[in-house]
Amino acid sequence: DTGVSQDPRHKITKRGQNVTFRCDPISEHNRLYWYRQTLGQGPEFLTYFQNEAQLEKSRLLSDRFSAERPKGSFSTLEIQRTEQGDSAMYLCASSGRGPGGEQFFGPGTRLTVL
Amino acid sequence: GESVGLHLPTLSVQEGDNSIINCAYSNSASDYFIWYKQESGKGPQFIIDIRSNMDKRQGQRVTVLLNKTVKHLSLQIAATQPGDSAVYFCAESGDNFNKFYFGSGTKLNVKP
Repeated sequence: DTGVSQDPRHKITKRGQNVTFRCDPISEHNRLYWYRQTLGQGPEFLTYFQNEAQLEKSRLLSDRFSAERPKGSFSTLEIQRTEQGDSAMYLCASSGRGPGGEQFFGPGTRLTVL
Repeated sequence: GESVGLHLPTLSVQEGDNSIINCAYSNSASDYFIWYKQESGKGPQFIIDIRSNMDKRQGQRVTVLLNKTVKHLSLQIAATQPGDSAVYFCAESGDNFNKFYFGSGTKLNVKP
């Protein structure tokens, strides 16, 4: 395991469809984060897991978005009834149990909603 | 790959010069700060971090300065190289690392 992986790398969908993204963090990293990034902007925090517990969720996050990390390892992010405004890069990051907060980011999933 | 810096503030420097990238943050309760580098088509990559009980931290060719009085963070890159060309983001968090807030980024162009 050399880093955080995300699948798929690209997703094109029609408005109204549901999509699900997967993130595999670095092994034994207990912290996992999801972000959304649009062109020309910094990553926007969506949600945070410590092990399998979802401890933080952005107030900006619509109820169409849901994330899980059932066994404290990989995580999924689902978007229901996608809208064109959901088009963005969805980034996953993980960090370990150490005193620092260094996050390792995956390559992202590029979502395009037509 | 797709650029992430089309509408970002841009800093252009000559190869070999030093670069200074600035960031202002708003939350006085933030305890932890990170600088990230993002190349086109890739996720952000950790550069250096600093806690609020420090004013300065040095890494390899990089230095981060923190001024808590004016809530300002800077990243200094010594002897800038073409490979340093990227978009740079600062991020802040509380001491529990439960959420991170990223700045809008600065695009660094290094001219050979």
